Amino acid sequence: DAGITQSPRYKITETGRQVTLMCHQTWSHSYMFWYRQDLGHGLRLIYYSAAADITDKGEVPDGYVVSRSKTENFPLTLESATRSQTSVYFCASSRDWQADTQYFGPGTRLTVL
Amino acid sequence: GDSVTQMEGPVTLSEEAFLTINCTYTATGYPSLFWYVQYPGEGLQLLLKATKADDKGSNKGFEATYRKETTSFHLEKGSVQVSDSAVYFCALSEDQTGANNLFFGTGTRLTVIP
Repeated sequence: DAGITQSPRYKITETGRQVTLMCHQTWSHSYMFWYRQDLGHGLRLIYYSAAADITDKGEVPDGYVVSRSKTENFPLTLESATRSQTSVYFCASSRDWQADTQYFGPGTRLTVL
Repeated sequence: GDSVTQMEGPVTLSEEAFLTINCTYTATGYPSLFWYVQYPGEGLQLLLKATKADDKGSNKGFEATYRKETTSFHLEKGSVQVSDSAVYFCALSEDQTGANNLFFGTGTRLTVIP
């Protein structure tokens, strides 16, 4: 199916473990984004990518690592998970840098114990 | 810096009631303004947008007018339905960094009861 998918949809892990959240889009969009959604904060940008091998920090990048070796994939890694990283994570992609063309994935709910 | 403030929820309305969700913004330039909707278990979807002052965005019976003088972009609907139950996010984008990132409000949960 075409679109933007995220996996896993739900994940429980322990403090200190490495976790990778996957994001895949089938539109060949240039731009991809990772947001986290927390109560009282709305969505906040973690990292974004303008093309393969080009990534940049967003508002809250600390504790996260991204890579973009292929246009269609944009994994987000928590190298050593902390409880404060318990959140819902949304991936998005867009064809260009107009904000209204962002399409969001269904989200990954991550719980760090 | 840029920011968006929207009314806190949750909001509970009866079917066919009038809806207003307030949103005000702070921006250094001339932002585009958006309303996104998040249905249960899904990602965010763009509901409507306005790109300049006095523009009115509309979709699915929802409307919002870009008011520069009051820095507001309130969401309205004349008659809500149960299917409108969702979380609504106001957002802005200035694109000044050359990357399109969105500044979101905290979201307002709407529940419509039959």
